[in-house]
Amino acid sequence: DAGITQSPRHKVTETGTPVTLRCHQTENHRYMYWYRQDPGHGLRLIHYSYGVKDTDKGEVSDGYSVSRSKTEDFLLTLESATSSQTSVYFCAISESPDYGYTFGSGTRLTVV
Amino acid sequence: DQQVKQNSPSLSVQEGRISILNCDYTNSMFDYFLWYKKYPAEGPTFLISISSIKDKNEDGRFTVFLNKSAKHLSLHIVPSQPGDSAVYFCAASAGGTSYGKLTFGQGTILTVHP
Repeated sequence: DAGITQSPRHKVTETGTPVTLRCHQTENHRYMYWYRQDPGHGLRLIHYSYGVKDTDKGEVSDGYSVSRSKTEDFLLTLESATSSQTSVYFCAISESPDYGYTFGSGTRLTVV
Repeated sequence: DQQVKQNSPSLSVQEGRISILNCDYTNSMFDYFLWYKKYPAEGPTFLISISSIKDKNEDGRFTVFLNKSAKHLSLHIVPSQPGDSAVYFCAASAGGTSYGKLTFGQGTILTVHP
């Protein structure tokens, strides 16, 4: 069940380069989120969106920006990648926060 | 400042027995709690949730208990099956400006042995 897809699935990039991760949904859900998963930290919220062009910061937003110009797409950009941003990134969608999230399969990003 | 904590990094259980996964939280504004299950190389999948107006919610083999006074919730899996082996995350959300934002625990790796 597609519903939500992340691209790319894997990426290796060099320190200082810009990187954009894409999250695409076909569910027409209002809410979209970007999380990162790191050992010992679980999942931490980077940014989220509650509608087209409506975004806000999460708890670990430094070094990241987002854009949502269409309901179906939520982009996460690392303006200048650092080794501390090596992580697995998950996008999630939600029709209503009361129903919980549906997560994508993740993007494994390595910054060397 | 970890507002949601899963203090057991791992749990090992025999097939057919009960698995109990625990979660503690510190933010008294949390009013909705969820459990997610995650297999390697996949995204987390929603398992079960509970509102703060309840103290128990069941769905098949899975039951979540909430003790608001202790700020503690637990997930019971009975009977445990080898396919339940995964990482389990508890998560919490609050109303107001935090509406819809989930705060996750660190996760507990459950291994169910045949």
